[in-house]
Amino acid sequence: ETGVTQSPTHLIKTRGQQVTLRCSSQSGHNTVSWYQQALGQGPQFIFQYYREEENGRGNFPPRFSGLQFPNYSSELNVNALELDDSALYLCASSSEREKVETQYFGPGTRLLVL
Amino acid sequence: SQQGEEDPQALSIQEGENATMNCSYKTSINNLQWYRQNSGRGLVHLILIRSNEREKHSGRLRVTLDTSKKSSSLLITASRAADTASYFCATGPGYSTLTFGKGTMLLVSP
Repeated sequence: ETGVTQSPTHLIKTRGQQVTLRCSSQSGHNTVSWYQQALGQGPQFIFQYYREEENGRGNFPPRFSGLQFPNYSSELNVNALELDDSALYLCASSSEREKVETQYFGPGTRLLVL
Repeated sequence: SQQGEEDPQALSIQEGENATMNCSYKTSINNLQWYRQNSGRGLVHLILIRSNEREKHSGRLRVTLDTSKKSSSLLITASRAADTASYFCATGPGYSTLTFGKGTMLLVSP
């Protein structure tokens, strides 16, 4: 167990709806990254937050947005859901202060868009 | 886009055998990491090798890195059924984002 938790574990939405996924970082970690993993693929980087500011973004449209809170927990919001958004969404925490390059992943949220 | 590509895509072996999987990447890296994923759940970090290292060991794992060929290999010795999982290589510029390959699915039969 990494100490990173995500909620919910599973979610079913319909096309056009909005969804919010949540992540609680490992204690002491101030950086959180979000990844999307489609079936049979490796995780794709969505964005990263460091000290409540976006610190890098992958090739995802603006309808993917995020927040990081003072306690370093995080949210991923997706607006106007599309069928291709169906995937496993993973968050990972890490600690820049400790110079740790390893990321600690949560168990993921599996999103199905119908 | 995927930075790393693992090979083979799938590997089936018997318990006790060694499993070798390879990873190729495209651009210069700071480090290369290997992760394991069980049944489509969260990823677990296995080992990190820096760009100035050539080989690293951790328990039954041995990782090599050849920066001139932009490739890495992961060897799992004396495989167990519990090693059944997908294995991903990931490259990173440092503390920031990771770029993953598509993974190798390993099946270890009792």
